[in-house]
Amino acid sequence: LAKTTQPISMDSYEGQEVNITCSHNNIATNDYITWYQQFPSQGPRFIIQGYKTKVTNEVASLFIPADRKSSTLSLPRVSLSDTAVYYCLVGPMGGYNKLIFGAGTRLAVHP
Amino acid sequence: SAVISQKPSRDICQRGTSLTIQCQVDSQVTMMFWYRQQPGQSLTLIATANQGSEATYESGFVIDKFPISRPNLTFSTLTVSNMSPEDSSIYLCSAARGQGTDTQYFGPGTRLTVL
Repeated sequence: LAKTTQPISMDSYEGQEVNITCSHNNIATNDYITWYQQFPSQGPRFIIQGYKTKVTNEVASLFIPADRKSSTLSLPRVSLSDTAVYYCLVGPMGGYNKLIFGAGTRLAVHP
Repeated sequence: SAVISQKPSRDICQRGTSLTIQCQVDSQVTMMFWYRQQPGQSLTLIATANQGSEATYESGFVIDKFPISRPNLTFSTLTVSNMSPEDSSIYLCSAARGQGTDTQYFGPGTRLTVL
């Protein structure tokens, strides 16, 4: 499983766009990039998953360059409720495969 | 998606005792996983629980300490045996159907304190 590196923490303000970048230099051909969000006292929640280029859903966008060695999670117009830890995971697609969590990025959104 | 519940939500236990944590999924799933999370830390995978077979444990975790059962496609238990204060942690289960692009869904966790 590819190792990931992401910032330990980030600060933002309500209404701003937040971009969290994850490095995964050793990503394999069959690996997908998945992001999870975890609020205090809750289990992680799936946000978005992608393989290449750009993926967008109602929560976030995921940008993946052609070399796939990094990815950027973009949260548009964050609110206080987006304060959470965000984990970037890289591995084969599908629920058969175990997830290995890195340290994650602790995002704090301020009024 | 899948909705996962865990029992108990929290417990305080004495050193040397054992606690069994239950994980219930609202639909049939292929894969179930157990994680441990220290406060303020990331998640560490303990084991993968497959129905009808023994659990597969990650490095540093052994069956004698963390026996797991998976009697059917919607239920699993994790027992923390002969507990010590170092076992104080949050224990989470997750589940996945293993179909297509389906990913893992997590329970709310069980907060365990060992005195």
